[in-house]
Amino acid sequence: KQEVTQIPAALSVPEGENLVLNCSFTDSAIYNLQWFRQDPGKGLTSLLLIQSSQREQTSGRLNASLDKSSGRSTLYIAASQPGDSATYLCAVRSNDYKLSFGAGTTVTVRA
Amino acid sequence: EPEVTQTPSHQVTQMGQEVILRCVPISNHLYFYWYRQILGQKVEFLVSFYNNEISEKSEIFDDQFSVERPDGSNFTLKIRSTKLEDSAMYFCASSLDVYEQYFGPGTRLTVT
Repeated sequence: KQEVTQIPAALSVPEGENLVLNCSFTDSAIYNLQWFRQDPGKGLTSLLLIQSSQREQTSGRLNASLDKSSGRSTLYIAASQPGDSATYLCAVRSNDYKLSFGAGTTVTVRA
Repeated sequence: EPEVTQTPSHQVTQMGQEVILRCVPISNHLYFYWYRQILGQKVEFLVSFYNNEISEKSEIFDDQFSVERPDGSNFTLKIRSTKLEDSAMYFCASSLDVYEQYFGPGTRLTVT
C-alpha cells in the first residue's frame, strides 16, 4: 500500500523567502505525482504534475522535482507572497487508478 | 477553461437518510472518481469509474455507497443510510486518460 508523507506539517515564513516542501512515498512504482493547493474549506487546485519519466516540472514561481528511485519529490516556491498561504498536498498515482495523498504542508507567508 | 462542478456545495442530513451528491465532470473526460476528506485528515480515495462500471474501490466504499452515471453528463455518489462518520468533504474528479485528474470544488456533507 502506497504511503505518502509530507514534511514539515506547517511552515511560516516572511514574504519574499523561498519555500521548500517535501514529499516522500514508499512505493517507487508510480505513474506520476501531482502537487495541489487547498485553501481552507475549498477544493483542490492542481499546481504541477510530474510524470514518472520526468525529473522536474516548472510553472512560474513553482518548481517540482522528482526522484523516483528514492521516493521523493520537492516543491519549491520562489519569492513567496502572502497569497501563497494555503495547504499544499502531494499525491502519487501508482499502478492503479487512484491517487494517494499526503497530509499536506500548511504554509503561512507573513507580510 | 473547462472545470468539474459539484452540487450542492453543502448538504446537511439526518443520520439514516439517503443522500445523493452530484458532479458534472469535464465533458470529454472518460475516467471519474470520488474522494473524501474528513476534517483534519488526508484526502482518501473512494472509487473510480470507467466505461460505465467501477474500476476500483477502496475498503471505505462499502455496500452503503453506490455510483452512477445516469445520463452521460452527471456522475453521482449515493450514500444509502448516512452515519455520523460520513460527515466529510466529498470531491469528484475526472480525467481524460489515466494521468492528470481534475478536481471539483467539493460538497461538504454534514450528518446530524
